[in-house]
Amino acid sequence: DAEITQSPRHKITETGRQVTLACHQTWNHNNMFWYRQDLGHGLRLIHYSYGVQDTNKGEVSDGYSVSRSNTEDLPLTLESAASSQTSVYFCASSFQTSGSGELFFGEGSRLTVL
Amino acid sequence: AQRVTQPEKLLSVFKGAPVELKCNYSYSGSPELFWYVQYSRQRLQLLLRHISRESIKGFTADLNKGETSFHLKKPFAQEEDSAMYYCALQYNTDKLIFGTGTRLQVFP
Repeated sequence: DAEITQSPRHKITETGRQVTLACHQTWNHNNMFWYRQDLGHGLRLIHYSYGVQDTNKGEVSDGYSVSRSNTEDLPLTLESAASSQTSVYFCASSFQTSGSGELFFGEGSRLTVL
Repeated sequence: AQRVTQPEKLLSVFKGAPVELKCNYSYSGSPELFWYVQYSRQRLQLLLRHISRESIKGFTADLNKGETSFHLKKPFAQEEDSAMYYCALQYNTDKLIFGTGTRLQVFP
């Protein structure tokens, strides 16, 4: 079955290290998104992509980067992890130009920065 | 700027009681609103969208443009409704801004 998967599911790292969270979807969706989920803030958009070679900043993009070299993957990189980036990260995807508002979410990646 | 507000962090009710999860929004354009739900140990998933005017799992939500609200309602709560609920506003192609979420606890 087509799906969206994230890895690793849990990660502990130290301040200053580079971390990459992987997101892979097999639906052939053009749209992909990264959100972080924090208590009191809900889900906040970090970066998004509407297709290969397209990347855009969301509302909380500082300290994060993404790349889209193919349709299936949108890896999220923390260049130099900070304790403020301890969070649960969700990847999501949707059909191209659907405008339906239906995002399909991964299971989440819990990142702890010590 | 667009914003979604869910004033309640936690809502606790007993089984069979009515439920209303509040959502207010701020948006200058024509709003498209959604409710997403995250059950324990499951993925976040779409519950319903206002444009469909549908009832899913007994839940309904009506868009009130005058009050800029999109409250989620269910007449008789069930224990399996216990979950985290997020209201979301679409402001660009599938770009959603989410509220802070309301945890619904339904006691037996």
